[in-house]
Amino acid sequence: AQSVTQLDSHVSVSEGTPVLLRCNYSSSYSPSLFWYVQHPNKGLQLLLKYTSAATLVKGINGFEAEFKKSETSFHLTKPSAHMSDAAEYFCVVIGRYGNKLVFGAGTILRVKS
Amino acid sequence: DTEVTQTPKHLVMGMTNKKSLKCEQHMGHRAMYWYKQKAKKPPELMFVYSYEKLSINESVPSRFSPECPNSSLLNLHLHALQPEDSALYLCASSQGSGIMDGPSYNEQFFGPGTRLTVL
Repeated sequence: AQSVTQLDSHVSVSEGTPVLLRCNYSSSYSPSLFWYVQHPNKGLQLLLKYTSAATLVKGINGFEAEFKKSETSFHLTKPSAHMSDAAEYFCVVIGRYGNKLVFGAGTILRVKS
Repeated sequence: DTEVTQTPKHLVMGMTNKKSLKCEQHMGHRAMYWYKQKAKKPPELMFVYSYEKLSINESVPSRFSPECPNSSLLNLHLHALQPEDSALYLCASSQGSGIMDGPSYNEQFFGPGTRLTVL
């Protein structure tokens, strides 16, 4: 069965400093991985996705993630945090039958001015 | 149109009321989903419709009744809910409907949600 573990429940950074949100996955075969962002009382927006093409994936709003099979990781990064990045971020793997998303517990990102 | 819309945005109902949530997409997607999200938790899958047929029911209580009238619309009928059913209800859609479609087609697009409060 697939699973994802988000290693930090909360991350706090200062505006203009780098962001790192960590995600490890477990999958018995080649996974498809996603990062979604959710602002308060809003739906989920897809930031980026890995589907076995390039291992370095670029997403919206300056975010990117690198798929590392040897480390079973898919960490999300951004060079410079903006106040508008404050939100909850979910790392997600697609289940075996392709239409069930398996969510991590989420990481709340706080950006200090 | 790359949007999933949900109505209403907010809903307050008593335990004896009957109400419905509505979800609509015009992207030609073949699968649609209902999720329930409690505060500070990830979304939990409730139902999946594939080609307008119910394909997954995650053991959801019968007081929640989904309906897919056509390929663009998904409803969730609510009856005799409990206060613990208060949550954000999210709808999503995807072009693909399963493993045969490949992962690129199973990216899910989410609506903004309906905030439900049961008194």
